[in-house]
Amino acid sequence: SSELTQDPAVSVALGQTVRITCQGDSLRSYYASWYQQKPGQAPVLVIYGKNNRPSGIPDRFSGSSSGNTASLTITGAQAEDEADYYCNSRDSSGNHLGYVFGTGTKVTVL
Amino acid sequence: QVQLQESGPGLVKPSETLSLTCTVSGGSISSYYWSWIRQPPGKGLEWIGYIYYSGSTNYNPSLKSRVTISVDTSKNQFSLKLSSVTAADTAVYYCARHSLDCSSTSCYPFMDVWGKGTTVTVSS
Repeated sequence: SSELTQDPAVSVALGQTVRITCQGDSLRSYYASWYQQKPGQAPVLVIYGKNNRPSGIPDRFSGSSSGNTASLTITGAQAEDEADYYCNSRDSSGNHLGYVFGTGTKVTVL
Repeated sequence: QVQLQESGPGLVKPSETLSLTCTVSGGSISSYYWSWIRQPPGKGLEWIGYIYYSGSTNYNPSLKSRVTISVDTSKNQFSLKLSSVTAADTAVYYCARHSLDCSSTSCYPFMDVWGKGTTVTVSS
């Protein structure tokens, strides 16, 4: 199966901008979706498709994609954005066309 | 709105079969794909497999030999069975719904509704 690689951890000063990247061959064909997970909680969808936010997700969250890399940007990070973030996409390797999650990025807001 | 609730034993013995059910409330199981995802303690998310409401399935190749996902539309539920479990199968297990974002040319799936998760420990 294919892989989606993320930086293990990033930090951002309160109110500043942070970009989280996700790399993988499947991203050349499929958009990533992004999930925020806080300790002890289930993941929450924050970005899907080209750059769509579910209802209730602040507009400081945005997504983009280029080549084999998808990015999640938090513009004006808030303390409540401190969490783990995972990308997800179709797994285009082999012929099973399932799903694969990224390795996850821990975001710390300083 | 749609809510998902996982249920099943929290403790399973090694070599036995893990069985979980996800109950869909506030909406119909029809016309959607539904996935199981797990997260071992301190680790990342792993997709296990999905089922369409009609019964077609797709499994993670790394687990395919041990996984069965089924659906009961009359009960608005879908289920996971994982056989021959070991300590490596200890995890929080989540169920999730897939929705689609479609343009004129393509559709891109995403998981928009998740259950709260249930912890399964494999131990004798």
